[in-house]
Amino acid sequence: GDSVTQMEGPVTLSEEACLTINCTYTATGYPSLFWYVQYPGEGLQLLLKATKADDKGSNKGFEATYRKETTSFHLEKGSVQVSDSAVYFCALSDSGNNRLAFGKGNQVVVIP
Amino acid sequence: DAGVIQSPRHEVTEMGQEVTLRCKPISGHDYLFWYRQTMMRGLELLIYFNNNVPIDDSGMPEDRFSAKMPNASFSTLKIQPSEPRDSAVYFCASSLRHDREQYFGPGTRLTVT
Repeated sequence: GDSVTQMEGPVTLSEEACLTINCTYTATGYPSLFWYVQYPGEGLQLLLKATKADDKGSNKGFEATYRKETTSFHLEKGSVQVSDSAVYFCALSDSGNNRLAFGKGNQVVVIP
Repeated sequence: DAGVIQSPRHEVTEMGQEVTLRCKPISGHDYLFWYRQTMMRGLELLIYFNNNVPIDDSGMPEDRFSAKMPNASFSTLKIQPSEPRDSAVYFCASSLRHDREQYFGPGTRLTVT
């Protein structure tokens, strides 16, 4: 079935460092891809999305490009802030399935 | 819009008791999803509805779990009887269409002792 794989383990980095979180997917159709963010004690919020190959989603300084050839949707930010500390989830929605498939999430901790 | 509303935000109950979690989706959204989040299992989809009709409940862990959506603005997730392993954060989410973004509520943190 459709699935999403995120890199293992938490990510700890210093303020103003560059962030990359890897996400690869497996899907039989042409999925839409999403990044969600979960701040402590809150529900998931949509951070950005891309609906077709080569689309770039962006929001709050974060970017991710839908790469069909490598089945990837890596999340990047050039300069992180302490307020970016959260859990980040990659997800996909295939038109043939009425649901989102989520990755396991990555805890990001930004140290001042 | 107030967003997805869940109640209660926190619930502590004893093993064997009945627990009812409530959700009010965003007005006009025709899909509603119930998720469970734990450290061990991550985020799991339990069941989802389209136009108040359950579409897929294959994620519901056992017969102790049941969900209803009597109208477009209200859904419940019931656990009877509850067990300690049901302790988790339960999220409700709604969306306009199956492949559009889902909007999540703040969650209900359930603790079963």
